[in-house]
Amino acid sequence: DTGVSQDPRHKITKRGQNVTFRCDPISEHNRLYWYRQTLGQGPEFLTYFQNEAQLEKSRLLSDRFSAERPKGSFSTLEIQRTEQGDSAMYLCASSPAYREYYGYTFGSGTRLTVV
Amino acid sequence: KNQVEQSPQSLIILEGKNCTLQCNYTVSPFSNLRWYKQDTGRGPVSLTIMTFSENTKSNGRYTATLDADTKQSSLHITASQLSDSASYICVVSAGGGGNKLTFGTGTQLKVEL
Repeated sequence: DTGVSQDPRHKITKRGQNVTFRCDPISEHNRLYWYRQTLGQGPEFLTYFQNEAQLEKSRLLSDRFSAERPKGSFSTLEIQRTEQGDSAMYLCASSPAYREYYGYTFGSGTRLTVV
Repeated sequence: KNQVEQSPQSLIILEGKNCTLQCNYTVSPFSNLRWYKQDTGRGPVSLTIMTFSENTKSNGRYTATLDADTKQSSLHITASQLSDSASYICVVSAGGGGNKLTFGTGTQLKVEL
């Protein structure tokens, strides 16, 4: 296992289209997090899962956003009817539940550009 | 409201020189403080993690300090290299998992010849 994998690395889409991103966490990690990061800012929390349960969602996660982790392994983040303001880097991170800080690992992100 | 403030916002130094980045936080309760390096277009990579009982942690040419009383941390980079050019983000955790991380906006470091 080489870390947290995110796919695709880059996505360009037209406004109004739907997009879906995938995150594969480190296999033994049962916690998975999604963040959004815009230029010059730190990551902003979107949502997190423990196993397959989505335990917390940010107010940033509007009705157009949905995240799933159906079998407690990989996760998907879908954005419906994309808007130009959705253009950002979408980061996934995973961690173990115990002493999560020592294993907290980010993926390389998916860069979304909405044109 | 939990906040993490970093300074300077950006910094340019010559290769081989040392530099120190600052982080002040108002996060309660405090669990741990992390420094991350983020290259352009990549995800953050952990440099150091310090709990409240640790006041210094090194990782190669990177040394982080923590003063839990004044709620300040610094990241010192020794003998800088061109590859150190990146954003350095200070992150403070209130513990307990979930959305307990407060991120700074980062210091953008550029190392020049």
